[in-house]
Amino acid sequence: KAGVTQTPRYLIKTRGQQVTLSCSPISGHRSVSWYQQTPGQGLQFLFEYFSETQRNKGNFPGRFSGRQFSNSRSEMNVSTLELGDSALYLCASSLGASGDAYNEQFFGPGTRLTVL
Amino acid sequence: GNSVTQMEGPVTLSEEAFLTINCTYTATGYPSLFWYVQYPGEGLQLLLKATKADDKGSNKGFEATYRKETTSFHLEKGSVQVSDSAVYFCALSVPGAGSYQLTFGKGTKLSVIP
Repeated sequence: KAGVTQTPRYLIKTRGQQVTLSCSPISGHRSVSWYQQTPGQGLQFLFEYFSETQRNKGNFPGRFSGRQFSNSRSEMNVSTLELGDSALYLCASSLGASGDAYNEQFFGPGTRLTVL
Repeated sequence: GNSVTQMEGPVTLSEEAFLTINCTYTATGYPSLFWYVQYPGEGLQLLLKATKADDKGSNKGFEATYRKETTSFHLEKGSVQVSDSAVYFCALSVPGAGSYQLTFGKGTKLSVIP
């Protein structure tokens, strides 16, 4: 079974631009979560999508948005980029079924975004 | 809110040394606890998990026990190898409204020297 894939792997943008990152989950997984990883703040939860609906959202400004398609693939968008948005953006997929004690999340390799 | 505190590195050990990475947590509700590992240039991999008090998670020689009374989930390995060099993250998840977002500690970088 193929793992979680993220494209592109590396991206360089300038301040003020916008960017779209893509995540393809493991086949059969319906939940996709996004995390931002920076040296200063560590790993922070951005949002989670399940069956095309945002199920949970972290504490990030509205410039960060996402969506999920009917095939469970997900995209996240960051508008009006700031220098502080430079980070590794990780996507994780899971089965997503409610009611379980936990839901194992499988992470992709990440997209390294650099904002100049 | 939920939070995870883990010892910050870097930690440098000689091969075959004993490893302990401390992790404590604060959670509203009954969390599941995890250790993830990140190798250079890669995403996170689940190393082990525990979903209820006194559970012991284990994998690849690593172990951690869910201690509710001390709100801890310390990672241990009896004899580390060079290949264990990576960053280790302690994390928790408290299911609520069906969401399983992970709250992570800051990570501990482990370097094992031959």
